[in-house]
Amino acid sequence: EVQLVESGGGFVQPGGSLRLSCAASGFTFTDHYIDWVRQAPGKGLQWVGRARNKANFYTTTYAASVKDRFTISRDDSKNSVYLQMNSLKTEDTAVYYCARPIPDWGGDAFDVWGQGTAVTVSS
Amino acid sequence: IQMTQSPSSVSASVGERVTITCRASQGISNWLAWYQQKPGKAPKLLIYAASRLQSDVPSRFSGSGSGTYFTLTINSLQPEDFATYYCQEANTFPFTFGGGTKVEIK
Repeated sequence: EVQLVESGGGFVQPGGSLRLSCAASGFTFTDHYIDWVRQAPGKGLQWVGRARNKANFYTTTYAASVKDRFTISRDDSKNSVYLQMNSLKTEDTAVYYCARPIPDWGGDAFDVWGQGTAVTVSS
Repeated sequence: IQMTQSPSSVSASVGERVTITCRASQGISNWLAWYQQKPGKAPKLLIYAASRLQSDVPSRFSGSGSGTYFTLTINSLQPEDFATYYCQEANTFPFTFGGGTKVEIK
């Protein structure tokens, strides 16, 4: 079964840090990019960032709202992607999903999603 | 690129047809996807490339449009279709999503 499973969410104070993990299974992880998408409580979806694969030099791209605070990395030996979140703000409170861009299409829609992990930033 | 969905909510009965629109602030060709999301669940991809049905998605779902105007149509609404639907621009970072359309039971 193709699957993404997030972990690592929790409660953190403003200015704090948190590291989310996304474990992949059921597909050839090294062939794929993995993205992070978040959803604030009662709000819509917001793309956060992307981790490209080795063939694309493990490069990353971020949304402006998280650039310089969040870092995405991947460990191909563990079929995992990580989202390191630093200098957290209350507006980062959201459910964070990892998602796989659909293969074999030039566009970037997401055909596989994790179940999400909740992050709450509050004092 | 801004993505604007309308309506923000719609009430409909089982068996009815529902159409949701999504407008892009600039032309995006057919780089558009539609998702369904139920409460407490991850989004589910329904349609990509504006009109291509994702595998295992019922054929009562269809998408059309190109450029700046897109529609998602649900023919013969079923009980399991009551959910929130999002469009997404799929070509340019930061892959903006529309604000969502909640389909509720009348």
